[in-house]
Amino acid sequence: DAKTTQPNSMESNEEEPVHLPCNHSTISGTDYIHWYRQLPSQGPEYVIHGLTSNVNNRMASLAIAEDRKSSTLILHRATLRDAAVYYCILRDRVYAGNQFYFGTGTSLTVIP
Amino acid sequence: NAGVTQTPKFQVLKTGQSMTLQCAQDMNHNSMYWYRQDPGMGLRLIYYSASEGTTDKGEVPNGYNVSRLNKREFSLRLESAAPSQTSVYFCASSEDFRNEKLFFGSGTQLSVL
Repeated sequence: DAKTTQPNSMESNEEEPVHLPCNHSTISGTDYIHWYRQLPSQGPEYVIHGLTSNVNNRMASLAIAEDRKSSTLILHRATLRDAAVYYCILRDRVYAGNQFYFGTGTSLTVIP
Repeated sequence: NAGVTQTPKFQVLKTGQSMTLQCAQDMNHNSMYWYRQDPGMGLRLIYYSASEGTTDKGEVPNGYNVSRLNKREFSLRLESAAPSQTSVYFCASSEDFRNEKLFFGSGTQLSVL
């Protein structure tokens, strides 16, 4: 399984943008990039996913490098509710046996 | 919207006891999953059911059994609990096996003494 590397922790001030990086240098052509987040004492929740092009939804934006070896999750305006662990996950959509493998993620602290 | 419901929320067992963790989803999803999360670590897949009537091992299946009772329900059984199985257990579901969105329950905190 292709691996991802994320910083252990990051801090952001409330109402400022947050850029959460993820490196995945061994990504294959059929790997999708997924982001989930886990709020304290809750199960993970889906944030966004993409393959090659940048993606936007109501929660966040996903910027994917041209060579696809890295990506960045962008929270446009951090709120206290965005304090969570953010997981960057690669998943091969072609191989049916390939599941989501969660690493340790990035713990985001939002400072009021 | 209930989504994915797990019971119980908390459980304490003695070594060697057995128990079943229950999971039900009301989204008409085909695929269901059981994960465990140890302190300071990410989630690891125990078992999954790609569709009703099928189950497969994940990354850490030893010591567990599962049953896909029907389309809604997927249970996880510990036949003889061990302290190493102390963890938070999460059930999840997705529309189908290839779908990108997993929906998680709120978890079961299990302690084995």
